[in-house]
Amino acid sequence: LAKTTQPISMDSYEGQEVNITCSHNNIATNDYITWYQQFPSQGPRFIIQGYKTKVTNEVASLFIPADRKSSTLSLPRVSLSDTAVYYCLVVYSGAGSYQLTFGKGTKLSVIP
Amino acid sequence: EAGVAQSPRYKIIEKRQSVAFWCNPISGHATLYWYQQILGQGPKLLIQFQNNGVVDDSQLPKDRFSAERLKGVDSTLKIQPAKLEDSAVYLCASSPIAGGADTQYFGPGTRLTVL
Repeated sequence: LAKTTQPISMDSYEGQEVNITCSHNNIATNDYITWYQQFPSQGPRFIIQGYKTKVTNEVASLFIPADRKSSTLSLPRVSLSDTAVYYCLVVYSGAGSYQLTFGKGTKLSVIP
Repeated sequence: EAGVAQSPRYKIIEKRQSVAFWCNPISGHATLYWYQQILGQGPKLLIQFQNNGVVDDSQLPKDRFSAERLKGVDSTLKIQPAKLEDSAVYLCASSPIAGGADTQYFGPGTRLTVL
């Protein structure tokens, strides 16, 4: 069964860069890695998605090493509004089907 | 553009009762997902539809849970009978095309409490 692992929680001061790593064993070579953000009483919201190396958008960067056994979400200069739970979503595929698997989430607390 | 709509937002029932949740995805989205999110955990996929066909229901407890997608648009998820361990938030999401790489748009969820 596919499994992803993330740190349970992280604390950061405002203005700092935050890196959250997700470990995902045995993902297939053509599967994407996606990160979502979730605030209390809301559904998750898409942040960024990548397949290999590095992807950057207006809110985050995603680093994926060559072995693809992990990925790191980087949030530059966090603010109080970035306090939320961050999930990685990995797709494990094989034999004509695929399984969507979320990590357990990392609760980020941004401190003023 | 309207987002994914879910109702009700909250539901409290007693064990062994039945309950149903409704989801209206973003217009034109082919794929619809139902997730169960237990407090403190990540969402767990229950069932995935592409149009009105089931793509994956491997984690749906079929002895008590059922889901359908009417005419490839709206969807309902039913639990009958409910157990205490079904207390969770039930999230519906939709995406434009099928496939794990597709960005999913989530609704606000329905919080179910089973007493």
